[in-house]
Amino acid sequence: AQSVTQPDIHITVSEGASLELRCNYSYGATPYLFWYVQSPGQGLQLLLKYFSGDTLVQGIKGFEAEFKRSQSSFNLRKPSVHWSDAAEYFCAVGAPEGTYKYIFGTGTRLKVLA
Amino acid sequence: DGGITQSPKYLFRKEGQNVTLSCEQNLNHDAMYWYRQDPGQGLRLIYYSQIVNDFQKGDIAEGYSVSREKKESFPLTVTSAQKNPTAFYLCASSIYPGEETQYFGPGTRLLVL
Repeated sequence: AQSVTQPDIHITVSEGASLELRCNYSYGATPYLFWYVQSPGQGLQLLLKYFSGDTLVQGIKGFEAEFKRSQSSFNLRKPSVHWSDAAEYFCAVGAPEGTYKYIFGTGTRLKVLA
Repeated sequence: DGGITQSPKYLFRKEGQNVTLSCEQNLNHDAMYWYRQDPGQGLRLIYYSQIVNDFQKGDIAEGYSVSREKKESFPLTVTSAQKNPTAFYLCASSIYPGEETQYFGPGTRLLVL
């Protein structure tokens, strides 16, 4: 069965430091992969997505993610974190072949220290 | 501007009461989804609809009902059978089912009085 694991529930970084949020998935074929961000009490905003092609994907707000098939991972990175990046981040897997289902990870809450 | 709107932002339910959450989109998307979000559990799929007048149960459909009479609208009713309705409810849509990005509304927080 498909699954998504975000092993870090909480992460704290200092403003200006680099960031990496981990995401591992379980799926037989190459899935569609997404990262979303959620501010408190708000909906989810798409940061970036991977469908095929270049395994390094650029997104909004200076984020990027790298798809590593051998590790079944799709980690999110940012070279220098801003205080406004404090939020909850969700990794999601969507399956191709017309299936409806997206599987979301349980989220990683990012705290940024001034 | 195209997007998804959800109303109300906050909703209070009394014991034994049915309440309906609104979701409207003007993106001309075929597929619409309802998710429930609880702290530490991520998002769980309640119902989804691939086309007008058609919808399917997701992983946690018990105690909920939906309708899809118009392409733009996908209301969710939380019935009295849902014993633990307190949660954040998110509506989403995609151009077509399963193969494209899902876009989310701002959410409705449901609280029980």
